[in-house]
Amino acid sequence: EIVLTQSPGTLSLSLGERATLSCRASQSVSSSYLAWYQQKRGQAPKLLIYDASTRATGISDRFSGSGYATDFTLTISSLEPEDAAVYYCQQYGSSGFIFGPGTTVEIK
Amino acid sequence: QVQLLQSGAEVRMPGASVKVSCKASGYTFTKYLIHWVRQAPGQGLESMGVINPSIGATTYAQKFRDRVTMTRDTSTGTFYMELSSLRPEDTAVYFCARRSGTFWGLDYWGQGSLVTVSS
Repeated sequence: EIVLTQSPGTLSLSLGERATLSCRASQSVSSSYLAWYQQKRGQAPKLLIYDASTRATGISDRFSGSGYATDFTLTISSLEPEDAAVYYCQQYGSSGFIFGPGTTVEIK
Repeated sequence: QVQLLQSGAEVRMPGASVKVSCKASGYTFTKYLIHWVRQAPGQGLESMGVINPSIGATTYAQKFRDRVTMTRDTSTGTFYMELSSLRPEDTAVYFCARRSGTFWGLDYWGQGSLVTVSS
C-alpha cells in the first residue's frame, strides 16, 4: 500500500512569505489521484487542489500545486492570516483514499 | 447548493454501537459516491470506506471491515455509517464527504459528528 509522507511537520512563517509544503509517496502515483486539502481548527477539510495542480472552485490563486510520480508540492505564494491551518495531501489507490499526516502552517 | 448535514454528537460505552447519519441535498443523490473519513482528537484523516448510493455497494477499509456498515436511504437522501464493538480509540469526529464525479477528490464535506467512547 502507498504511504504518503508530508514535510515539514510544522511551518512557521510571517505574513507575505511563501510557503512550500511537500508530499512524498512511497511509490509512483498518478497525478490524477493527488489532491490537497486545508483544514482549519474545528472545521471539516476543504478541497484546495486536485489532479495535483488544478485549483478547486473558488480557491485563491495564491495556492498552487505541482509535481509528479512520487514528489508533489503545495505552494502558498504569499501568506495571509486565514491560511493558518493543517494541510493534507491525499491520493487514491486500490484501498481507497489515503491521506498524508499533514503539515501545520503557523503565522508568526 | 450542495450540503451534507450530519447528526449530532454521541456518547457510547465500550462495546456498544453508534450510527451516524449524513443527509444530502442540493444535488442528485444517486450520482455521487459518499466516503466516510474519521479524525481522532489531534490526529490526521483516516478513510473508512465508500458507498455507491445508486446500487448500495460498499467498499470498506481493511481496518474497519468487520465492524463498519455503510447504508443509504434513497427515499430520504440520507447516508448512514454504523460502527460496532466500539473501543475508546474510536473516539473521533466522523465526516461524510462526496467524491467528485470528474476527479479523484472529495469536493463537499459534512460538518462532522463527534463520537465519544468512554465508560
